[in-house]
Amino acid sequence: GQQLNQSPQSMFIQEGEDVSMNCTSSSIFNTWLWYKQDPGEGPVLLIALYKAGELTSNGRLTAQFGITRKDSFLNISASIPSDVGIYFCAGQLKGSNYKLTFGKGTLLTVNP
Amino acid sequence: KAGVTQTPRYLIKTRGQQVTLSCSPISGHRSVSWYQQTPGQGLQFLFEYFSETQRNKGNFPGRFSGRQFSNSRSEMNVSTLELGDSALYLCASSFGGGNTEAFFGQGTRLTVV
Repeated sequence: GQQLNQSPQSMFIQEGEDVSMNCTSSSIFNTWLWYKQDPGEGPVLLIALYKAGELTSNGRLTAQFGITRKDSFLNISASIPSDVGIYFCAGQLKGSNYKLTFGKGTLLTVNP
Repeated sequence: KAGVTQTPRYLIKTRGQQVTLSCSPISGHRSVSWYQQTPGQGLQFLFEYFSETQRNKGNFPGRFSGRQFSNSRSEMNVSTLELGDSALYLCASSFGGGNTEAFFGQGTRLTVV
């Protein structure tokens, strides 16, 4: 099936640092979503993007829908220990209704 | 507003058995999707239901099935369980239509022994 290439796979940073992660694909997406998952829990929706070039913020989080519609990035500013978790990008492929394709996730560790 | 509720949270089954998992969506949401999450494969789409109709299906064998009731609650069933079916099964709900913002439940951790 279609894959989203999410990078990096993992990050280990110091508290207060900024973080950036991204997802790319060879296919066009209509929607990009970013989720955070804590151990033993379901993913929590952070940001939803619907238009190419759209830049959306949610507190310290900022995400953008790439102009080509084939990529998206998520930035976290001034990281704090509770940012620890796995971040997933998810997209709805053009022509693929009602189905989300997920990246493999980025494991973020924040050192206090 | 209550979130997506999945029951049970944990299950242990033996090979060959069958299992039924339940999902209650957020009130007003008519679309329910199911995903399988494993360390090796990540989140894999199983199927999606809207108004009791399956609209999309992933690449899983026929042992995996689902249904949706008139109140939008959904169940998924796995028959003839295999060891490889051990996973976290996640349910997500959305309004449906063109809105794909999906909200997940806490999942059901299925262990097949």
